[in-house]
Amino acid sequence: GDSVTQMEGPVTLSEEAFLTINCTYTATGYPSLFWYVQYPGEGLQLLLKATKADDKGSNKGFEATYRKETTSFHLEKGSVQVSDSAVYFCALIWASNTGKLIFGQGTTLQVKP
Amino acid sequence: GAGVSQSPRYKVTKRGQDVALRCDPISGHVSLYWYRQALGQGPEFLTYFNYEAQQDKSGLPNDRFSAERPEGSISTLTIQRTEQRDSAMYRCASSPERGGFSAEQFFGPGTRLTVL
Repeated sequence: GDSVTQMEGPVTLSEEAFLTINCTYTATGYPSLFWYVQYPGEGLQLLLKATKADDKGSNKGFEATYRKETTSFHLEKGSVQVSDSAVYFCALIWASNTGKLIFGQGTTLQVKP
Repeated sequence: GAGVSQSPRYKVTKRGQDVALRCDPISGHVSLYWYRQALGQGPEFLTYFNYEAQQDKSGLPNDRFSAERPEGSISTLTIQRTEQRDSAMYRCASSPERGGFSAEQFFGPGTRLTVL
């Protein structure tokens, strides 16, 4: 069945470091891909999305490119801040009649000053 | 504006008791989803409503779990005869679109259920 695999966490970086969180997926057809973020004490919120191959989603300095050939959607940011500390979830939607999300296991990011 | 709200935020119950978890979606949102999230894992889909119609319940783990959305707004997830393995964070999300390939889902803060 459809699935999403993320790199293991936690990831600990110093402020202004470069961030990559790997995400690969398995799905029949061409799903839509998402990154959701959960800040401490809050609910999940959409960070960015891409709906077709080679699309780049971007928001708040984060970027991810939909790579069909490698079935990947890696999250990147050039310079992280302490406020980026959160849990990041990669997810896909394939069953378009319901829009149900299939999530990866989440990657915890801790940014130290 | 008001986001998705869930109540209670925390629920501790004894094994064998029934629990009801409430979700109040963003006003006017057509779609409503329930997910369950174990510690250290991503959310897993439970069920989906389009207005009041439950169109997908493929993620409900067994017949102890049920959900309703009778007037197309507030939804209740009910777990009967709770078991310790039911302990998890239960998350509700709503969306302004019907199903959809790319629609953003807006999540509530979740209900942390602990079954003793």
